[in-house]
Amino acid sequence: AQTVTQSQPEMSVQEAETVTLSCTYDTSENNYYLFWYKQPPSRQMILVIRQEAYKQQNATENRFSVNFQKAAKSFSLKISDSQLGDTAMYFCAFIQAGNQFYFGTGTSLTVIP
Amino acid sequence: NAGVTQTPKFQVLKTGQSMTLQCAQDMNHEYMSWYRQDPGMGLRLIHYSVGAGITDQGEVPNGYNVSRSTTEDFPLRLLSAAPSQTSVYFCASSQGGFYGYTFGSGTRLTVV
Repeated sequence: AQTVTQSQPEMSVQEAETVTLSCTYDTSENNYYLFWYKQPPSRQMILVIRQEAYKQQNATENRFSVNFQKAAKSFSLKISDSQLGDTAMYFCAFIQAGNQFYFGTGTSLTVIP
Repeated sequence: NAGVTQTPKFQVLKTGQSMTLQCAQDMNHEYMSWYRQDPGMGLRLIHYSVGAGITDQGEVPNGYNVSRSTTEDFPLRLLSAAPSQTSVYFCASSQGGFYGYTFGSGTRLTVV
């Protein structure tokens, strides 16, 4: 069975600081895609960043970057220069053959002014 | 380009009532899914479709039905609402793989 584990239910960070959210996953497949989604209080699910499993290079989108460790099945999200608008629930997810999303249980991030 | 449109945004049902949550996408995506979100449990897959006329069960399908007669529409039917179905429901669509899923804005359903 495929699973995604986010071991940090809640985290906080001071504004302008850096924070890392952890995610591990389990799959027997070799080809898959990994994602981080953000869900602010508005409830909308917003794609933050994505990574292809066969690419060694870690994905980066402005202040957001990932640390992808394929052998360890780890996919952490780093948010640099945290802003108040980053306060949200963050979900790790992956897709493999069959195109079904498997989600973690989420990490609630609070940015403190 | 509206993306994924879900209606209604809020709904209150009495136990035993039935209703349909509507979902439509205008991106010509093959893949569509329904999820429910409950506190501490992330998003759990209810039903999914890989194209018009093709549907299958996800992780928590009991009490729900779906159909996909067109590429655009993927309604979710609650057959006989129960308090355990109180949740936030999301519809999502995808063109596959790397593109991930585009989500609707969600429906908050309360069953009393």
